[in-house]
Amino acid sequence: KQEVTQIPAALSVPEGENLVLNCSFTDSAIYNLQWFRQDPGKGLTSLLLIQSSQREQTSGRLNASLDKSSGRSTLYIAASQPGDSATYLCAVASYGQNFVFGPGTRLSVLP
Amino acid sequence: NAGVMQNPRHLVRRRGQEARLRCSPMKGHSHVYWYRQLPEEGLKFMVYLQKENIIDESGMPKERFSAEFPKEGPSILRIQQVVRGDSAAYFCASSPLASGHYNEQFFGPGTRLTVL
Repeated sequence: KQEVTQIPAALSVPEGENLVLNCSFTDSAIYNLQWFRQDPGKGLTSLLLIQSSQREQTSGRLNASLDKSSGRSTLYIAASQPGDSATYLCAVASYGQNFVFGPGTRLSVLP
Repeated sequence: NAGVMQNPRHLVRRRGQEARLRCSPMKGHSHVYWYRQLPEEGLKFMVYLQKENIIDESGMPKERFSAEFPKEGPSILRIQQVVRGDSAAYFCASSPLASGHYNEQFFGPGTRLTVL
């Protein structure tokens, strides 16, 4: 059964810093991995989707990498801004299972 | 090009009442997923539906919960005889037909259910 963890659980950084969020999964037989952000009291916004055959995806200041063999994905945020403050979730789709979400990393970017 | 729509956004029920949550997928999407987010917990998969079919309900509680996605109209998540432990945010997601199950999912804003 797939299990997904995320570290750190919370992160507070000054504006302008580059930062890395980590996602780990136990079963490497995945179909894809998706990163989301969730603002307080809101729904989820899809950020990046990485298929199992891909190594990374980029969108603006965001870059997500995937290493299936080690069961890891990282989300890199360049030049962080206060508007990036949110909870970041990774979700893994495994064969024969539905999306399993990690508990999230709560990011606070201080002006 | 509207996204995934959910209503109501907030729902208050007393113990023992029924709750009906609605989800309209994005245009052209025929796969719907329901998730529950309990306070201070992560999202948990509940059920995956296609039009008129329940594909996977492995995450649904065995009693009081049911879901449908009729040929016409929105998907409905129904909770009978609600209890305080049902208080949570319920999210719906949809994905397009091509390649089915493992496509990118697009989420609605959620329905926040409070049981008094």
